[in-house]
Amino acid sequence: QQPVQSPQAVILREGEDAVINCSSSKALYSVHWYRQKHGEAPIFLMILLKGGEQKGHDKISASFNEKKQQSSLYLTASQLSYSGTYFCGTWGETNFGNEKLTFGTGTRLTIIP
Amino acid sequence: DSGVTQTPKHLITATGQRVTLRCSPRSGDLSVYWYQQSLDQGLQFLIQYYNGEERAKGNILERFSAQQFPDLHSELNLSSLELGDSALYFCASSPTPWGRDQETQYFGPGTRLLVL
Repeated sequence: QQPVQSPQAVILREGEDAVINCSSSKALYSVHWYRQKHGEAPIFLMILLKGGEQKGHDKISASFNEKKQQSSLYLTASQLSYSGTYFCGTWGETNFGNEKLTFGTGTRLTIIP
Repeated sequence: DSGVTQTPKHLITATGQRVTLRCSPRSGDLSVYWYQQSLDQGLQFLIQYYNGEERAKGNILERFSAQQFPDLHSELNLSSLELGDSALYFCASSPTPWGRDQETQYFGPGTRLLVL
C-alpha cells in the first residue's frame, strides 16, 4: 500500500513555511524523504528510524510518529531552491529481507519570489 | 554529480522489443537499487542487489529481470515491451545492504525509455 502524502501541491512565497505529511496504513520501520526537481534524479534528504529523534539540517527537518504511522517534513523560511516534488519512502515493519521501499504519492512544492 | 552512472540516457524502441539498461554504482557501493518512475504511478521500487545477490524485490514484472555483476555494475533487462513501460528508470547505490536504515541512497541521472 502506497503511503499517502498531503497536500498534493502547494505554492508558497519565498520565506514562508510548509509542512508535508506522509501517512501509511501499515507499521513502519523507517521513513526516507527525497526531493526531485523536474527531469532530475531524486536527492536524498533524510531518514527517520523507528524510535529515533526528529531530524533536520539547515531549515528542513522531519519527524516520525511511529504510533500513528506518520511522518512530517517541515520546511521553514522557504527558499527558491526548495521548489520540486517531495517524496516520502517507507520501509515496512515486516520480516527482514522481504520488505520493500514504497514511495508516497508526492507533493509538488512551488516557491515564488 | 552523485557518482552513479546510467546508460543510455534516452532509449526509443517499439512494442515487443527487448532493451538493457546499465548502471554503475558509486565507487565502493555494494548495493544497487532499480526504480521506475512513470507519470501515473510515481516512483516504484523494482529490485535491489547487494554484492551480486538479489536482496529485495518490489513491483518488478516477470518480463523484467536484473543482475549485478562481479564488478558491481548492474543491468536491468526489459523484454516484450509494452506502451505502459515507457518511463524513467533510475538506479541508486549505497554502501550497505540495509536499505531500510541506511543513511543515503545516491541516484543516477536515469534512463528515459519511450516505447512506441
